[in-house]
Amino acid sequence: SQQGEEDPQALSIQEGENATMNCSYKTSINNLQWYRQNSGRGLVHLILIRSNEREKHSGRLRVTLDTSKKSSSLLITASRAADTASYFCATDSGTSGSRLTFGEGTQLTVNP
Amino acid sequence: DTAVSQTPKYLVTQMGNDKSIKCEQNLGHDTMYWYKQDSKKFLKIMFSYNNKELIINETVPNRFSPKSPDKAHLNLHINSLELGDSAVYFCASSQGKGAGTFGSGTRLTVV
Repeated sequence: SQQGEEDPQALSIQEGENATMNCSYKTSINNLQWYRQNSGRGLVHLILIRSNEREKHSGRLRVTLDTSKKSSSLLITASRAADTASYFCATDSGTSGSRLTFGEGTQLTVNP
Repeated sequence: DTAVSQTPKYLVTQMGNDKSIKCEQNLGHDTMYWYKQDSKKFLKIMFSYNNKELIINETVPNRFSPKSPDKAHLNLHINSLELGDSAVYFCASSQGKGAGTFGSGTRLTVV
């Protein structure tokens, strides 16, 4: 069954605005990862946050994790047109190696 | 250098055929994966190999058979292709439970 659910499914903003995407999951996890996928391309890893971490930053990206609510959020600040892509959260609950279960993704459109 | 490379990038074939997709990673990772992305962009894990040993085998038709000749390679062979097999197949690798590095995908179209 699908682990992660994301909202919104689609988000359209203007350049310079912030974009927030949310992810909820159902079972205990080792870590949660966010990926970006440009149209017709492969997935690019953005951030990994472990289950004992609450917040992580990478450049314009900020990820939070609330294990009590089984939810995570990805914030992209000062968005650019090049940020237009699908964003997926993936939870890892594997015991050996990773066993990523992906959410449905959020399609972000940043208008110039 | 491409970290995770998979070939071919596009594959168009007729129902009933057998085809293979190859994947190689040059990152020294110990674990490799196959994921399937359907037309609605939903990604689902199919298989995972750790040092050539199968560790994840999701509910996938046995027409799909992964093969890992060494820890840098994980190939996917599909027998008797069906229309519903049409999807994008992604190979990925990771070091233990670290971040996954994905290939650029193989778009399989069964006609």
